[in-house]
Formats: sequence, C-alpha cells, structure tokens
Amino acid sequence: GAVVSQHPSRVICKSGTSVKIECRSLDFQATTMFWYRQFPKQSLMLMATSNEGSKATYEQGVEKDKFLINHASLTLSTLTVTSAHPEDSSFYICSARDTRGASGEQYFGPGTRLTVT
Amino acid sequence: AQSVSQHNHHVILSEAASLELGCNYSYGGTVNLFWYVQYPGQHLQLLLKYFSGDPLVKGIKGFEAEFIKSKFSFNLRKPSVQWSDTAEYFCAVTSGSARQLTFGSGTQLTVLP
Repeated sequence: GAVVSQHPSRVICKSGTSVKIECRSLDFQATTMFWYRQFPKQSLMLMATSNEGSKATYEQGVEKDKFLINHASLTLSTLTVTSAHPEDSSFYICSARDTRGASGEQYFGPGTRLTVT
Repeated sequence: AQSVSQHNHHVILSEAASLELGCNYSYGGTVNLFWYVQYPGQHLQLLLKYFSGDPLVKGIKGFEAEFIKSKFSFNLRKPSVQWSDTAEYFCAVTSGSARQLTFGSGTQLTVLP
C-alpha cells in the first residue's frame, strides 16, 4: 500500500525558534497534501491544503505567516512552524492524496510531535 | 459547511461483545464517507470507505459500516470485538468537490480482555 513518511517524528525546540517538518509520499505522486493538527484526545483539525507548484490553502483561523507550507515536488511537502511558542506544541499529521486512483484516497503519515519549551 | 458528529466519546466493551459506533454528518449533497482507526502510538489507517453503490461496506479486520442516506449516518459495526481492537476510531467525510476530509471528534474504544 501507499506509504507516507514524516520527519522528524519528534522534535523539541525553544520558544522563538522555527521548526521544519517534512512529509513525503514514498511510492506514489501526490499533487495534494494536507496538514492536520491533533490535540490530545481530540480529532484532527485540517490546517491547510498543500498543492504542488502553487500556494497552500489555509483553513480559517490558521496563520499562514506562522505555518509556512511549501510543496515543491510531487512527493514532498514541508510545514515550517515559525517563531514557535508553547501553544504551538501539538501533534502534526500530514496526508497525501494519491492522484492515480479515481477515489483520490488520502494516506496518512505517522505524525510529528512538536514540543516548544 | 460540512460537519461530522461522533456521539460516543469513549466506549468500553468486553471481548466478543458487538460494537456499533455512531457517525452522523451534515451535508445535503453527495458525500464520500470514511472510517479511520488510530491504534496507540500508530498513524491513522483506513478501515473502510463508501463512495457509491452498496450502502453496506465491508472493511478490514471484520469491520463494516452502513450508509443510511435518510439518516445522514454511517455507523461502524463489528459483531465480535477483540482486545486488539482497542484504538481511537474516526469518522470522516468529503463532500461535493471538496477534497478535504472533515473528521469527527473520534471515539476511543477500549476492549477488556
């Protein structure tokens, strides 16, 4: 089956620094990738839709200048949390939409645990 | 805007018990419906999905779900749960031309051995 990887799996950073999270589709091409945020014991909240070769589409309430998304190739999207603060600590999950199938099923990465101290 | 409701936040069952997790969505048009499972410490995995056709969908690991359009529901069922089914279950929907998944709040299932 399709595999999506995320790197790093876990990161701890100091307040004010920036953190980059990578999302890769390993065996398929994905023109669209999605970034989610999951708080403890809560559901996934869509942050943004990442489109290869164009600007990301952000959900209401998500600061695009704080959560920078780049989708430079068909297999890689990156999320950069700029000037991170403790309230940005969360579990960030990406998914990639397989463009081959008609269903366009999404495959999820394992997530990245971000802790801002 | 579409929304998904999962009314059961935490379900505790004994092994061999039958399971039904509720999922309701709000959207009047064509929908695609999904159930995902997240085992402890693991990433989301697709259990089953409905796009069209037979409203009774069979998924992996003995799970099934029934799409009832008149009730805007897509409940997940399993006739006999196992301890290994302990996980978080999420219902999700895409609608119309939207490609984004909207997730329900999730249901934590705990199966006691």
